[in-house]
Amino acid sequence: AQSVTQPDIHITVSEGASLELRCNYSYGATPYLFWYVQSPGQGLQLLLKYFSGDTLVQGIKGFEAEFKRSQSSFNLRKPSVHWSDAAEYFCAVGGNEKLTFGTGTRLTIIP
Amino acid sequence: DSGVTQTPKHLITATGQRVTLRCSPRSGDLSVYWYQQSLDQGLQFLIQYYNGEERAKGNILERFSAQQFPDLHSELNLSSLELGDSALYFCASNFDSGTDTQYFGPGTRLTVL
Repeated sequence: AQSVTQPDIHITVSEGASLELRCNYSYGATPYLFWYVQSPGQGLQLLLKYFSGDTLVQGIKGFEAEFKRSQSSFNLRKPSVHWSDAAEYFCAVGGNEKLTFGTGTRLTIIP
Repeated sequence: DSGVTQTPKHLITATGQRVTLRCSPRSGDLSVYWYQQSLDQGLQFLIQYYNGEERAKGNILERFSAQQFPDLHSELNLSSLELGDSALYFCASNFDSGTDTQYFGPGTRLTVL
């Protein structure tokens, strides 16, 4: 069965600081990996996805993620966060008909 | 704006009642997915329809059912509602399979009193 673990429930960073959100997955075959962001009261917006090829994936809003097969990880990074990045971030694994989501990481930005 | 629309935005009802949530996929998309987001269970896949046919089933209760119509819009029917069914229900769509990016609608917030 596929699963996703996001070990950090809540992260607080200062505006302008760097960010890394962790994601570990379990999947029996080649995984299709996604990061979505959910702002309060909003739906889910895709930040980036990995299907194959280059293991460093660039997304929207200055985010990137690196797929590491040996560590079963797909961590999300941003070099300098903005106050508007405050939201909940979900990592997901797919490859068949459904997406399996992690429990999410809530990101708080302090001035 | 993902192009996926969901109505209503909010729904408040009582236990034991039945409600219908509606989803219109992005233009050209054939697959519709339903997800439930609750504090207890997080984001969970419920069911997928492809071009009018059920394709995959997840953690969907027997009290819940869905269908996809010839114009490709989908409805999720929730019956005999319980307090624990209070959640945000998302619809997502893509052209075909689960490997394509799923685009999410804004959700319907269901409150059962």
